[in-house]
Amino acid sequence: AQSVSQHNHHVILSEAASLELGCNYSYGGTVNLFWYVQYPGQHLQLLLKYFSGDPLVKGIKGFEAEFIKSKFSFNLRKPSVQWSDTAEYFCAVNKRGSTLGRLYFGRGTQLTVWP
Amino acid sequence: DVKVTQSSRYLVKRTGEKVFLECVQDMDHENMFWYRQDPGLGLRLIYFSYDVKMKEKGDIPEGYSVSREKKERFSLILESASTNQTSMYLCASSPYSLAGASDTQYFGPGTRLTVL
Repeated sequence: AQSVSQHNHHVILSEAASLELGCNYSYGGTVNLFWYVQYPGQHLQLLLKYFSGDPLVKGIKGFEAEFIKSKFSFNLRKPSVQWSDTAEYFCAVNKRGSTLGRLYFGRGTQLTVWP
Repeated sequence: DVKVTQSSRYLVKRTGEKVFLECVQDMDHENMFWYRQDPGLGLRLIYFSYDVKMKEKGDIPEGYSVSREKKERFSLILESASTNQTSMYLCASSPYSLAGASDTQYFGPGTRLTVL
């Protein structure tokens, strides 16, 4: 079955700690990859995306993600988290060439950062 | 900026009522989507539409229907609301792209529906 897996349901960190959130997908073929973030009380917004080229992509607020094709992974990283990074993070995958634009989402990872 | 708006932020309905959730986008996007978001389950796709009057079932279409009469508007209909449809409903839109290079979805603020 096609799926997107996020390994951690809830991550708790102190400010300045480093972050890595795992994401694996099970689709064959070429994909587009996304990380979305949902801050408390706010709507879902795009954090970063990978379509092609350099597998290390940089997003907003100091986040980055690395696409490792051989591992079917797209892990999200940040070297030093802040209290304001407390949010829920969703990994999503789109099959390249799909004209319908459908995204497949993981179940999300809740990140809590303590000041 | 892309704007996706949803008709209500909060809605309370009774079991058996017919419920309409409205979504409007202002960026002339071809694709529109309805998800429900539940804790621990992430976003689950209910229905999506890639053109006016066109619709496709997502992963959990049972108990729902949709309508897209105009390009900018996509409605989700709960024919007879039930308590297990209490959830956060998110609408999204994205532009058409044959190469799939522009499939970023833009989300509305969500409607929190409670069915009593």
